[in-house]
Amino acid sequence: DAGVTQSPTHLIKTRGQQVTLRCSPKSGHDTVSWYQQALGQGPQFIFQYYEEEERQRGNFPDRFSGHQFPNYSSELNVNALLLGDSALYLCASRPGFSIETQYFGPGTRLLVL
Amino acid sequence: DQQVKQNSPSLSVQEGRISILNCDYTNSMFDYFLWYKKYPAEGPTFLISISSIKDKNEDGRFTVFLNKSAKHLSLHIVPSQPGDSAVYFCAAILRGDSNYQLIWGAGTKLIIKP
Repeated sequence: DAGVTQSPTHLIKTRGQQVTLRCSPKSGHDTVSWYQQALGQGPQFIFQYYEEEERQRGNFPDRFSGHQFPNYSSELNVNALLLGDSALYLCASRPGFSIETQYFGPGTRLLVL
Repeated sequence: DQQVKQNSPSLSVQEGRISILNCDYTNSMFDYFLWYKKYPAEGPTFLISISSIKDKNEDGRFTVFLNKSAKHLSLHIVPSQPGDSAVYFCAAILRGDSNYQLIWGAGTKLIIKP
C-alpha cells in the first residue's frame, strides 16, 4: 500500500495562473481533506470531500475548489493565483469518521512568482 | 486569530533526557486534542491524542497532559531519542453540525542532541 500520494511534488506558477493538485488516498479510505501550510505555520483546513461532495469548508475563498472522483481520489484547484498562495498543500485521507486514522501525504510545494 | 498556540518555535534536548512540548488553546469548545510529528519531506503522522474528559494519556515514551482550566496541554517524551528530532504539531478538534475539522498550532521543532 503506497499510502497517500500527491502530485506533483513541486510546482512553480505565476500570479493569475490556475493550478490543479492531485491526491490519491490510502487504500480503503473514502474521506479526503486538503490543508494549506504556509512557511512557519501549522496546516490550515481548506475543505473535506466524502462521497464526491464537499462536506466541510474552512475559511478559504472561492478561488479554492475541489473535486472527488468515484475512486476517492481528489483534486484541489486554485484559480487566479496570488503570491500568498505559495505554501505546502497537504492531502489527508481517512476511512470514515476516525481522526486518528487520518494519513497525510507528503504534500505539494507550490511557489507563486 | 490563533486558537491553538505553540509558543516555542524550537527546542533542543539532550539525548536520554525528557522533552516537554507545550501547547495552549483559547476555544473552550475544543474537546479532543492530538499531537502530530512531521519529518522533512513527509506528511504529519499521528502520535497521541487526549479527550477533554481525561487529564493524561500515555503511550510508551509519549505522555500527553491536559489542564482544562489553564487551557494548556503538553507532550512529554522520555527518554528522548535522536529519531524524535522532528517538528511536533498540536491540533484540536472543532466540531460542526455533522463533521469536524482540525485546528493546528504552528509547530515546535525538536532537536535531540547526541
